[in-house]
Amino acid sequence: EDQVTQSPEALRLQEGESSSLNCSYTVSGLRGLFWYRQDPGKGPEFLFTLYSAGEEKEKERLKATLTKKESFLHITAPKPEDSATYLCAVQAVRGSARQLTFGSGTQLTVLP
Amino acid sequence: DGGITQSPKYLFRKEGQNVTLSCEQNLNHDAMYWYRQDPGQGLRLIYYSQIVNDFQKGDIAEGYSVSREKKESFPLTVTSAQKNPTAFYLCASRDGQGRLGYTFGSGTRLTVV
Repeated sequence: EDQVTQSPEALRLQEGESSSLNCSYTVSGLRGLFWYRQDPGKGPEFLFTLYSAGEEKEKERLKATLTKKESFLHITAPKPEDSATYLCAVQAVRGSARQLTFGSGTQLTVLP
Repeated sequence: DGGITQSPKYLFRKEGQNVTLSCEQNLNHDAMYWYRQDPGQGLRLIYYSQIVNDFQKGDIAEGYSVSREKKESFPLTVTSAQKNPTAFYLCASRDGQGRLGYTFGSGTRLTVV
């Protein structure tokens, strides 16, 4: 069974205080690891897809990295507008279908 | 602009009622998905469809039903057999192998009254 565990559950940072969010996973036949941002009452917004260990992707203040067992979302010099829940998900093939399994998310609050 | 439209945004259900949540996409994606989100939990897969007129149960399909008569539409019915339907429901679609990510709608919040 595919499993995704995110830590910490909640994180409070001061503006400009860099930190990392963790996503550890167990999956048979990884077909991509996804990071999403979700604001309250809205659907998840796609950030990154990573496919192989060692891969890195960046977008503004966010950088995602991938190893064989976990992924990190690094946030450099965050701003209050970065406050959101960040979701990690792994894509695997079950039968003939690609499916996502999600972690429970990290709720990030950036204080001004 | 292409995207996924979910309606209504808020829905209230009385005990014993069936309700239907709408999901429409104009992205020309073949695969569509329904997820349920509860506070403090990750998204859980209810049903998915890879092609018109075909759909499969996800991890928590009991008490739900779907149809896929058109590529653009994937409605979800929450039946009276679903004992705890209060949740946030999200519809998603995927292009090809998902390299551009899954696109999500803005969600429907269902409350039992």
